[in-house]
Amino acid sequence: QKEVEQDPGPLSVPEGAIVSLNCTYSNSAFQYFMWYRQYSRKGPELLMYTYSSGNKEDGRFTAQVDKSSKYISLFIRDSQPSDSATYLCAMSVTGGSYIPTFGRGTSLIVHP
Amino acid sequence: NAGVTQTPKFRVLKTGQSMTLLCAQDMNHEYMYWYRQDPGMGLRLIHYSVGEGTTAKGEVPDGYNVSRLKKQNFLLGLESAAPSQTSVYFCASGGTNTGELFFGEGSRLTVL
Repeated sequence: QKEVEQDPGPLSVPEGAIVSLNCTYSNSAFQYFMWYRQYSRKGPELLMYTYSSGNKEDGRFTAQVDKSSKYISLFIRDSQPSDSATYLCAMSVTGGSYIPTFGRGTSLIVHP
Repeated sequence: NAGVTQTPKFRVLKTGQSMTLLCAQDMNHEYMYWYRQDPGMGLRLIHYSVGEGTTAKGEVPDGYNVSRLKKQNFLLGLESAAPSQTSVYFCASGGTNTGELFFGEGSRLTVL
């Protein structure tokens, strides 16, 4: 079992839908949780990050961490075709870990 | 505002040839990384560096060498290319120990 599990999809939704992307993990020492977005033929870009548990909102995006269930989510409201990309979760431990552990990514397609 | 720049963006090699990928960052980041990304495999860490003059092995280091003679540059070398090294290579840098990374646009390498 990988340390971070992420369904590769693809996840296909109509424009305007609420999208839920998820990752599960096994290492309870993870404290930093990140979401990266990767457009086709581009490098990943950091979308959001949260520390420990709770929610964080940025415009149409909400990141949620449930440490008790070892489960993180990214919600996208009012999804747009421009949101079509691969979304990678990543997480790291505190105390000087320079290396995040990435999920394999979920491909999202938002069709008009 | 360049961020992380990779050169070359595309390269075709014959088996046994050597080459070097160059990564340059202008954010004064301490940490730099080389990843490869293959379909269905996600991002896999090849080598990384936690400061000028330092390097360390990642998950898949065999067949690659790296050097970090200057803080802003991180070089990835292939001494004798093999078809299994056909991939997209991403360089990343980070300024904190939380795993937040900034990626380059990628270098597509094909080994025939």
